[in-house]
Amino acid sequence: DSGVTQTPKHLITATGQRVTLRCSPRSGDLSVYWYQQSLDQGLQFLIQYYNGEERAKGNILERFSAQQFPDLHSELNLSSLELGDSALYFCASSPGTDLNTEAFFGQGTRLTVV
Amino acid sequence: GQNIDQPTEMTATEGAIVQINCTYQTSGFNGLFWYQQHAGEAPTFLSYNVLDGLEEKGRFSSFLSRSKGYSYLLLKELQMKDSASYLCAVTDSNYQLIWGAGTKLIIKP
Repeated sequence: DSGVTQTPKHLITATGQRVTLRCSPRSGDLSVYWYQQSLDQGLQFLIQYYNGEERAKGNILERFSAQQFPDLHSELNLSSLELGDSALYFCASSPGTDLNTEAFFGQGTRLTVV
Repeated sequence: GQNIDQPTEMTATEGAIVQINCTYQTSGFNGLFWYQQHAGEAPTFLSYNVLDGLEEKGRFSSFLSRSKGYSYLLLKELQMKDSASYLCAVTDSNYQLIWGAGTKLIIKP
């Protein structure tokens, strides 16, 4: 158990819909990262938050947004869903912005868009 | 641009040794990670290198040459449970993690 909790584990929804994925980081970790992993693909970095503020942006679509709340949990919002958005979405956390420490991953949310 | 290259897939035999290579071109360098990921599961940390040389941890070792932009992960005494993808990731000058696409390792009896 990495200490990072993601909910829900599985999500099936229709095209055009909007969903929210939730992540609770390890206790004490201030940084949260979101990744997308499509079938048999590598990890694609989406966005990073540190202590409530956006820190870095990767290949995140405009239809996607995220935020980190005062209690440090984070949510990833995906809207106007398309079939190609079907993927595993991972959240990871680390103590700070200095990535010379390992990041710990949650078990992921498997999103299926039908 | 920033780039990390790993072989897409490798096959090895149970009990043998396998070396997975990773080459990188990034804006600065602040360390290199290796992660293991079983299909459909979360990546888990294996090793971290920031200085040149070999880091050994049980059956797994990781090597780094910063001047060559090169690392490898060495797995000894392979077991069936080692069948997984192995991800190389580099932290750049902004401490952003740049991920390789991963190497799928298939272990045969």
